[in-house]
Amino acid sequence: KQEVTQIPAALSVPEGENLVLNCSFTDSAIYNLQWFRQDPGKGLTSLLLIQSSQREQTSGRLNASLDKSSGRSTLYIAASQPGDSATYLCALRRTGANNLFFGTGTRLTVIP
Amino acid sequence: GAGVSQTPSNKVTEKGKYVELRCDPISGHTALYWYRQSLGQGPEFLIYFQGTGAADDSGLPNDRFFAVRPEGSVSTLKIQRTERGDSAVYLCASSSMAGPAETQYFGPGTRLLVL
Repeated sequence: KQEVTQIPAALSVPEGENLVLNCSFTDSAIYNLQWFRQDPGKGLTSLLLIQSSQREQTSGRLNASLDKSSGRSTLYIAASQPGDSATYLCALRRTGANNLFFGTGTRLTVIP
Repeated sequence: GAGVSQTPSNKVTEKGKYVELRCDPISGHTALYWYRQSLGQGPEFLIYFQGTGAADDSGLPNDRFFAVRPEGSVSTLKIQRTERGDSAVYLCASSSMAGPAETQYFGPGTRLLVL
């Protein structure tokens, strides 16, 4: 069974700080990996998607990396803002499957 | 609207009752997914539709859960004889593109509370 782990479960940082969120997984047969943001009481918003053949993706202040050999993905957030406060979830899609396997998320609080 | 919509946004029911949860995917999206998210957890896969057919229902926890998508657009998740353990947020997602660049777009969810 695929296991997706996100550590830490919660993180508080002062505004302006750069930070890294971690996602680890046990199965290297990955089709793609997505990072999502979830605000309280809301659905999920896709932030970045990394295909199996890619090593990283960038969007604005966000950069996501994928290292299949070590079973890790990271989401780097530059110059954090209070509006970045949310739960961040990583989800991977295995080769041959259609559904996503999610981690339990990291709850980020950016303190003004 | 252009996004995935789900109704109702909240549903409170009593143990043993029957409930239906509705999902309207993004127009033109052929793939539709249902997930369930318990408090403090990530979403867990329930069922996947490609068009009208359930291509993968391996995530449905038991036979009290059933989902349909008769015209390949709107989907309904049906739960019979609800139990308190069914309380969760039920999320729907849709996508249009097959392949490694496929992105799933999620609705806001239906928060189900079984008393």
